[in-house]
Amino acid sequence: DTGVSQDPRHKITKRGQNVTFRCDPISEHNRLYWYRQTLGQGPEFLTYFQNEAQLEKSRLLSDRFSAERPKGSFSTLEIQRTEQGDSAMYLCASSSRRHYRNYGYTFGSGTRLTVV
Amino acid sequence: AQSVTQPDIHITVSEGASLELRCNYSYGATPYLFWYVQSPGQGLQLLLKYFSGDTLVQGIKGFEAEFKRSQSSFNLRKPSVHWSDAAEYFCAVDNFGNEKLTFGTGTRLTIIP
Repeated sequence: DTGVSQDPRHKITKRGQNVTFRCDPISEHNRLYWYRQTLGQGPEFLTYFQNEAQLEKSRLLSDRFSAERPKGSFSTLEIQRTEQGDSAMYLCASSSRRHYRNYGYTFGSGTRLTVV
Repeated sequence: AQSVTQPDIHITVSEGASLELRCNYSYGATPYLFWYVQSPGQGLQLLLKYFSGDTLVQGIKGFEAEFKRSQSSFNLRKPSVHWSDAAEYFCAVDNFGNEKLTFGTGTRLTIIP
């Protein structure tokens, strides 16, 4: 179990630019989740995948956001035309049904996005 | 609307003292309940969870939590805190067993010598 990896750890971008984040889940986990955490708040659900299928998207995920999980392995979260309000920590988590029952999710360390 | 309330934004405790962090939720059925801890700039680590059975659950690092259905609460406790316990603590709820979590706003714990 090598844990959930997120890349990059930090990203500073200018308003209007596009950014892409990557998440590598624990290899045997078929479920992958994206959450967003703004300063002073708890994480908020964005979307989740079971294998390669994106099963649910939050209303927080505007048209500028897109997430993919090709081949059911790693996932990417892209934000187009970034706005200052997108500044947040983006957290990825993974699980399987069995893992969830015993351990809940395993979270990555997150990607901190700052839009200037 | 579904919600999770952590009424204490910030708590300061002396090292060695006992700790209780409060969590209330507003769901009708018995949800799945979690406590996570987050150190600055890091992801979240699971402390403990409740799915069913014994309402007093033990977790890692000496933490425990008690589910009280009548009070819709799931408070986190530790009998004696250590300086390394300073962090942000989040209560979370999975209401429908769909593995989607709703988090509270967190309680920041400061430990003083």
